Amino acid sequence: AQKITQTQPGMFVQEKEAVTLDCTYDTSDPSYGLFWYKQPSSGEMIFLIYQGSYDQQNATEGRYSLNFQKARKSANLVISASQLGDSAMYFCAMREGISGYSTLTFGKGTMLLVSP
Amino acid sequence: DTAVSQTPKYLVTQMGNDKSIKCEQNLGHDTMYWYKQDSKKFLKIMFSYNNKELIINETVPNRFSPKSPDKAHLNLHINSLELGDSAVYFCASTAIGTGADTQYFGPGTRLTVL
Repeated sequence: AQKITQTQPGMFVQEKEAVTLDCTYDTSDPSYGLFWYKQPSSGEMIFLIYQGSYDQQNATEGRYSLNFQKARKSANLVISASQLGDSAMYFCAMREGISGYSTLTFGKGTMLLVSP
Repeated sequence: DTAVSQTPKYLVTQMGNDKSIKCEQNLGHDTMYWYKQDSKKFLKIMFSYNNKELIINETVPNRFSPKSPDKAHLNLHINSLELGDSAVYFCASTAIGTGADTQYFGPGTRLTVL
């Protein structure tokens, strides 16, 4: 079974609108971390936001927020007021375990296109 | 100031050759990783090192040999390159025990094997 599922291969949104990118995860470990990364066409991987499994509040970073629904095992990324520069591939990732040397497991990504 | 850097950015080579990719981080992190991104953009862990010691080797062919001369550097050497090795290779680093343990990625090296 996939540990990270991103069901939207592609999403379109108009500039200034909000968009939600879906991510569901599968783990039996009570301690885990969820991450979102952005990969623009230039290729680099840019860290956006982090949510820990024990965090009581949803994470926010500027225009990015993470809608964390633990019972549903979902960690959707919400981008408010989309900008043209938000057009990129977005990856959800999970680190299982408290910390230490756990590596990231990535989803297949969602390509977001923002139109004027 | 570059946090995680990789050289070269592009690498084009013939099958059967041996090549290396270098990675350096100036973040003071103690753990470094190599990930491979295939043509479908899927990212998968290859190796992780902590303080120059190999921690994780995710069933990578032994033609791939990581080397960490110090905790700021993690190089990837690939012997007898094959067509299937064509991919983008990302180095990443993190500071263990800092809460999120966020991994910061280098710019990637696009390897093309002809």
